[in-house]
Amino acid sequence: TQLLEQSPQFLSIQEGENLTVYCNSSSVFSSLQWYRQEPGEGPVLLVTVVTGGEVKKLKRLTFQFGDARKDSSLHITAAQPGDTGLYLCAGYQGAQKLVFGQGTRLTINP
Amino acid sequence: GAGVSQSPSNKVTEKGKDVELRCDPISGHTALYWYRQSLGQGLEFLIYFQGNSAPDKSGLPSDRFSAERTGGSVSTLTIQRTQQEDSAVYLCASSLQGGREAETQYFGPGTRLLVL
Repeated sequence: TQLLEQSPQFLSIQEGENLTVYCNSSSVFSSLQWYRQEPGEGPVLLVTVVTGGEVKKLKRLTFQFGDARKDSSLHITAAQPGDTGLYLCAGYQGAQKLVFGQGTRLTINP
Repeated sequence: GAGVSQSPSNKVTEKGKDVELRCDPISGHTALYWYRQSLGQGLEFLIYFQGNSAPDKSGLPSDRFSAERTGGSVSTLTIQRTQQEDSAVYLCASSLQGGREAETQYFGPGTRLLVL
């Protein structure tokens, strides 16, 4: 059983469309992180959300942390082909063990 | 400055052989982590080193897996008597201090291991 469940697992949309990826858990996290991973590379941190209800924006990407700190979402506006990749959410169990969701593989078609 | 580097980038081995995977963390980072990523999936925590403290080995899947970190820098992950289910990408990450939630971990490109 995954501690962090991501949905959808696969998403293929056209350039210019909007999309939302979800990360859900039955456990409370003090913070959640979102990473993007491209083929042949390691994950790269996009954002860390630490406060329940927090919203962070990174250009066309909007990240939200649920009020109860059990879930998070990533919304992309006007998706571009360069947004293609594997998006991973992650949260700390204790101070050193990072647990990951299974990922959302996003493909943006020109 | 250089990021986290890993070698080899790819490794093909036969079932039953031992393999060693190497990780060079970012200079000055005291915390080092190993993860395993099965095809297209999320990452599974394996082991964590912080400074001179005893490592957190709670994620190692079996006693065939071991890791060491020499001189607080380079780390080696060893898999003995490899099995086909060990095939995966092995990722290393480092962070400045470790032991702090929400600290940024910087990942290497990974070693792709294929056990035939």
